[in-house]
Amino acid sequence: ETGVTQTPRHLVMGMTNKKSLKCEQHLGHNAMYWYKQSAKKPLELMFVYNFKEQTENNSVPSRFSPECPNSSHLFLHLHTLQPEDSALYLCASSQDLGTGANTGELFFGEGSRLTVL
Amino acid sequence: GESVGLHLPTLSVQEGDNSIINCAYSNSASDYFIWYKQESGKGPQFIIDIRSNMDKRQGQRVTVLLNKTVKHLSLQIAATQPGDSAVYFCAEGSSYKLIFGSGTRLLVRP
Repeated sequence: ETGVTQTPRHLVMGMTNKKSLKCEQHLGHNAMYWYKQSAKKPLELMFVYNFKEQTENNSVPSRFSPECPNSSHLFLHLHTLQPEDSALYLCASSQDLGTGANTGELFFGEGSRLTVL
Repeated sequence: GESVGLHLPTLSVQEGDNSIINCAYSNSASDYFIWYKQESGKGPQFIIDIRSNMDKRQGQRVTVLLNKTVKHLSLQIAATQPGDSAVYFCAEGSSYKLIFGSGTRLLVRP
C-alpha cells in the first residue's frame, strides 16, 4: 500500500467513449503527476500539478484532460482516444516539486490499465 | 497487428548472489538520480536516490554508484532474493522532472 489509490484498475473503452481515471493520495503531498507507461516507450510524464495548479503539460494531446480539484485528488478525463493510447496510466505524488533538498521522490499508485478498442 | 514492445535487457542471477544493474543517463546537468523497482501488476516503488554531488550511497542491501565522468549509474543488490525479481528503472531528475530509463528485468533463480 503506497498511499496512492487509482481507480479503475482496468478499463476497456471504445474510441468514441468518454471515461475518467481517478487518483487519490492519502499522504498529505502537494504535488501530483500522471505518467503513461506503454509497451513501446519508457515511463512518460504527462501532467504535473502543484497545489492544484497545473505546472506541466508535456505536449499531451487534448483528448487527455486532467483535473485536480484539490491536492489529494487527480483525474484524467479521456475522450475519443486512439488504440495507440492503450497503456498503463500511473498516478504519483510527491511532498513537493523536488526543489532544494528534496529529490522529489515519487510515490506511485498501481496504475489503471487502459485498453482502447 | 501485433505490437512490438520494449526489449528489456534481462539480468538473471542465482539466489544469494549479488546483482549489479547498470544505467546510462543523458543529462550531465541532472541534480539527482533515483532507482525504482516495479513488480508485475504494481506501480514503481522507490528504492534509493543519490544527489549529483555524491558518488556512492548505501541503503539496506542496496548500493548506488554514480560516475558522472561517463554518465553512468549502477544499482548493486547484495544477497539477491526471490522477492527482488522485478523490473528496475533508473531515473534522472532536475527540479521536479524525472526522466526514466527503459528498465532492466531482474530474474532470480532459486
